[in-house]
Amino acid sequence: EVQLLESGGGLVQPGGSLRLSCAASGFSFNSFAMSWVRQAPGKGLEWVSSIPGSGPSTYYADSVKGRFTISRDISKNTLYLQMNSLRVEDTAVYYCAKDRRVAGNTQIFASWGQGTLVSVSS
Amino acid sequence: EIVLTQSPGTLSLSPGERATLSCRASQSVLGTYLAWYQQRPGQAPRLLIYDASRRATGIPDRFSGSGSGTDFTLTISRLAPEDFAVYYCQQYGGAPNTFGQGTKVEIK
Repeated sequence: EVQLLESGGGLVQPGGSLRLSCAASGFSFNSFAMSWVRQAPGKGLEWVSSIPGSGPSTYYADSVKGRFTISRDISKNTLYLQMNSLRVEDTAVYYCAKDRRVAGNTQIFASWGQGTLVSVSS
Repeated sequence: EIVLTQSPGTLSLSPGERATLSCRASQSVLGTYLAWYQQRPGQAPRLLIYDASRRATGIPDRFSGSGSGTDFTLTISRLAPEDFAVYYCQQYGGAPNTFGQGTKVEIK
């Protein structure tokens, strides 16, 4: 069974930093693209960033480009999102999501974690 | 970026009724690369439909998707109590992938 468990959320001041983690199990972690998707309170879904199963490529929404960095540690089966220069508008629940297809980067989010809340406020 | 507009914003129906949700794209979606997700209160989204009409693993056959180009539809043939939720469409044919604003299906 696929399991994704996010952690690392919390309250941070504008301009601050936070690192989110997503511990993955139940599948071959290095065979699937992984993504972060966020949801502001009471709002819809917004794709944030993706990383393929292998290779150096990473992808970001314009709203976070240059501030957020996605990475993965295959040895720990863990996905990360380093968030710097945080803004009030980054406040959201952050979900990690697994791609549907092996060795693909379809951007079809087949499995989701339960999310971790990031609050940016002074 | 492709903008997805979902309608209606809220759909008030009774259990057993048919639900028809619409998703319209600002430009043609490449290759019918459109998905639908369900989000129940306090839960993460769940993939229902991908490639416009293919049901994801474990999704009941009362859920069906159709459409191409700029107009897509999610149909729930007979609403079960657990189907009252918010539904989002997502296109992944163009970068960046984008979501609609959601349609809430509520109990009438």
